[in-house]
Amino acid sequence: AQSVTQLDSHVSVSEGTPVLLRCNYSSSYSPSLFWYVQHPNKGLQLLLKYTSAATLVKGINGFEAEFKKSETSFHLTKPSAHMSDAAEYFCVVSVPSGTYKYIFGTGTRLKVLA
Amino acid sequence: EAGVTQFPSHSVIEKGQTVTLRCDPISGHDNLYWYRRVMGKEIKFLLHFVKESKQDESGMPNNRFLAERTGGTYSTLKVQPAELEDSGVYFCASSAIRGFEAFFGQGTRLTVV
Repeated sequence: AQSVTQLDSHVSVSEGTPVLLRCNYSSSYSPSLFWYVQHPNKGLQLLLKYTSAATLVKGINGFEAEFKKSETSFHLTKPSAHMSDAAEYFCVVSVPSGTYKYIFGTGTRLKVLA
Repeated sequence: EAGVTQFPSHSVIEKGQTVTLRCDPISGHDNLYWYRRVMGKEIKFLLHFVKESKQDESGMPNNRFLAERTGGTYSTLKVQPAELEDSGVYFCASSAIRGFEAFFGQGTRLTVV
């Protein structure tokens, strides 16, 4: 079975410091992986995607993620947090088998301290 | 280009009533998905359409939920009769190619009282 684990439900960082949101996946196939962000009272916005091309993926707003097959990880990073990054982040896997549905992690709520 | 649009944004109904949620996907996207997030828990898959056909409805909670996709364009999700545990945020998403990036709507927040 395919699954996604987000290791931290809450992360707090100070403005200007690095952000690391952790995600591990489980899949019998080569997955496609995504990070989505949800700001308060907003919809889900795609941050970045990995679909078997380059393992280091750059997304919007300075975020990037690295696909590490050996560690089954797809951690999200940003060198310097901004107040506007405060939101909930979801790691999502889509597996190329069956219906290709998207499986969500439980989410990580990022808090940015002034 | 218009994104995925969901109506209404909020709905408050009484237990036992019927509610219909609507989703307009991005034009040309054959794949349409419904998801639900209940009380801050995980975002859970409900079902997947390819054009007008239900590809996978394994996530539908019970037979009080009925989804349709008329002519392969917009989709509706009807809950009849609504129960308290149906409260949550219902998301719709569409994608051009299944398994590639999906674009989500703003969600419909359903409250059953």
